[in-house]
Amino acid sequence: EDQVTQSPEALRLQEGESSSLNCSYTVSGLRGLFWYRQDPGKGPEFLFTLYSAGEEKEKERLKATLTKKESFLHITAPKPEDSATYLCAVGSGGYQKVTFGTGTKLQVIP
Amino acid sequence: ETGVTQSPTHLIKTRGQQVTLRCSSQSGHNTVSWYQQALGQGPQFIFQYYREEENGRGNFPPRFSGLQFPNYSSELNVNALELDDSALYLCASSAGTGGYEQYFGPGTRLTVT
Repeated sequence: EDQVTQSPEALRLQEGESSSLNCSYTVSGLRGLFWYRQDPGKGPEFLFTLYSAGEEKEKERLKATLTKKESFLHITAPKPEDSATYLCAVGSGGYQKVTFGTGTKLQVIP
Repeated sequence: ETGVTQSPTHLIKTRGQQVTLRCSSQSGHNTVSWYQQALGQGPQFIFQYYREEENGRGNFPPRFSGLQFPNYSSELNVNALELDDSALYLCASSAGTGGYEQYFGPGTRLTVT
């Protein structure tokens, strides 16, 4: 059974204080690793897809990296508007079953 | 380009009742997946529809059922509602199965009393 574990559960940063979120996964036949951002009471917003170990993608202050067992979401010089829950998910199987982690709740303090 | 839309936004039902939630997929997407998200948890996969057929299912009982229409919009039906069915129900569409990123709608908040 596919499993996704995210750490830490919650993270509080000062504005400008860079950090990383971790996503560890076990999956049979990775079809893609996805990062989403979710604001309270809203649907997840797509950020990145990573397909193979060594791949990196960037968007503004966010950078996602992938190894064979885990992915990191690096946040450089975060701003208060980056406060949200960040979800990691893996896709597997022919029909793309997607398994989500429980998320990291990020709070950036001005 | 129109994003994923869901209706209704909020819904309150009584235990034992039935509910239908609706989703319109993003333009050009032929695959719709449904998820249940309890408070403080990640979304849990319910099932996926591809070209009007169920294409995969998570660990949810048969009282959770769905449909996909020729325009790729979709419905989620839940019979015999239980208190534990209270959650945010999310619909996501994608351009296909297998490795395609999914784009989510805003969700329907279902409360069962």
